[in-house]
Amino acid sequence: AQKITQTQPGMFVQEKEAVTLDCTYDTSDPSYGLFWYKQPSSGEMIFLIYQGSYDQQNATEGRYSLNFQKARKSANLVISASQLGDSAMYFCAMKLGGGSQGNLIFGKGTKLSVKP
Amino acid sequence: DTGVSQDPRHKITKRGQNVTFRCDPISEHNRLYWYRQTLGQGPEFLTYFQNEAQLEKSRLLSDRFSAERPKGSFSTLEIQRTEQGDSAMYLCASSQLQGPSSYNSPLHFGNGTRLTVT
Repeated sequence: AQKITQTQPGMFVQEKEAVTLDCTYDTSDPSYGLFWYKQPSSGEMIFLIYQGSYDQQNATEGRYSLNFQKARKSANLVISASQLGDSAMYFCAMKLGGGSQGNLIFGKGTKLSVKP
Repeated sequence: DTGVSQDPRHKITKRGQNVTFRCDPISEHNRLYWYRQTLGQGPEFLTYFQNEAQLEKSRLLSDRFSAERPKGSFSTLEIQRTEQGDSAMYLCASSQLQGPSSYNSPLHFGNGTRLTVT
């Protein structure tokens, strides 16, 4: 069965330092996409970064990078130079290429708190 | 603002009442999704449309739930005979199908409708 696991319910990081949020996934489908979303306390889900299963290089978007290790089925999010505004819930999600193309499967999330 | 908009932002209703939520997707997006999120959990998929066709429904979508997208633009989600267990944030999202497979297209979410059933 397809599944996303985020093992860190909460993380703390000092402002200006880097932090890694863990995500592992489980699927037998060879085609899939991995996504990270940020959800501030206001509730909106903000798309951060995408990694495709066939992508050879790790995705980067500004201060966000995705450490994609396909053999380990992990897709960790790295946030560099943390800012106070990064405090939020972070969700890892997966979408499959075949079969259910509509279903974005989410993990339970990690609450990141950035300390000044 | 050209993002996904949802209305209302908050809804408080008594058990047994019917409620309806509206979602307006990003105008050029042909796919529209509904998700439900309870406290401390990630969003759970309910259903999605491609244009006006409802292509998939989750087992979470009981007979009391119905979603429509009559003209392939906005969508409504109706819950009949609400129960306290329906209390949650209902999120709408949209995306644009790119090529034969959609797994590379991100979903863009609205701010959600928070439902409280008393």
